[in-house]
Amino acid sequence: GENVEQHPSTLSVQEGDSAVIKCTYSDSASNYFPWYKQELGKGPQLIIDIRSNVGEKKDQRIAVTLNKTAKHFSLHITETQPEDSAVYFCAACNVNYGGSQGNLIFGKGTKLSVKP
Amino acid sequence: EPEVTQTPSHQVTQMGQEVILRCVPISNHLYFYWYRQILGQKVEFLVSFYNNEISEKSEIFDDQFSVERPDGSNFTLKIRSTKLEDSAMYFCASSDWDQSGQYFGPGTRLTVT
Repeated sequence: GENVEQHPSTLSVQEGDSAVIKCTYSDSASNYFPWYKQELGKGPQLIIDIRSNVGEKKDQRIAVTLNKTAKHFSLHITETQPEDSAVYFCAACNVNYGGSQGNLIFGKGTKLSVKP
Repeated sequence: EPEVTQTPSHQVTQMGQEVILRCVPISNHLYFYWYRQILGQKVEFLVSFYNNEISEKSEIFDDQFSVERPDGSNFTLKIRSTKLEDSAMYFCASSDWDQSGQYFGPGTRLTVT
């Protein structure tokens, strides 16, 4: 089955700096890669996702890149702010278009701390 | 903005008791899921539900677990005889027909004593 590895487990940056979180996956059939932000006591919040037919996607200060050959994908946050502090999870799944969506396999999470 | 809601936010139960966790998915979504997160660990898939039946389930989702969509809005997870190791945060999620992402609820913290 699919296995997702995520690094680093903790990341501390100064406000305004960039943060990069990396994930690798094992199943070449995976074709959908979302990123979630989880604040303390809350559920995971979908912040950006990418499908396997795209190499990069950007939404304001966040971007995700995907390298299918190497089976890795990364989250990039630019101009970090204290409110970006949270745990970030990557995930992968094989979405069967036209059928039920595959279950998400999550990485172990990265605790991002943005220091003012 | 529509969101997934879950009740209760915290449930404490004794080992061996039955619990029912409730979720109201986003109203026009067609796919429903339960995940759990043991404290400090990754989020783990339990079960997915589509068209009034289970689509997929993980090894965690054994005979002690069941799901139901009793009406047009609720989606429930039942644990028949809770064990200490069932203590975790349980998240409900839902997604639309175009599978544009799974949206998670705030979770129910289940504590089994």
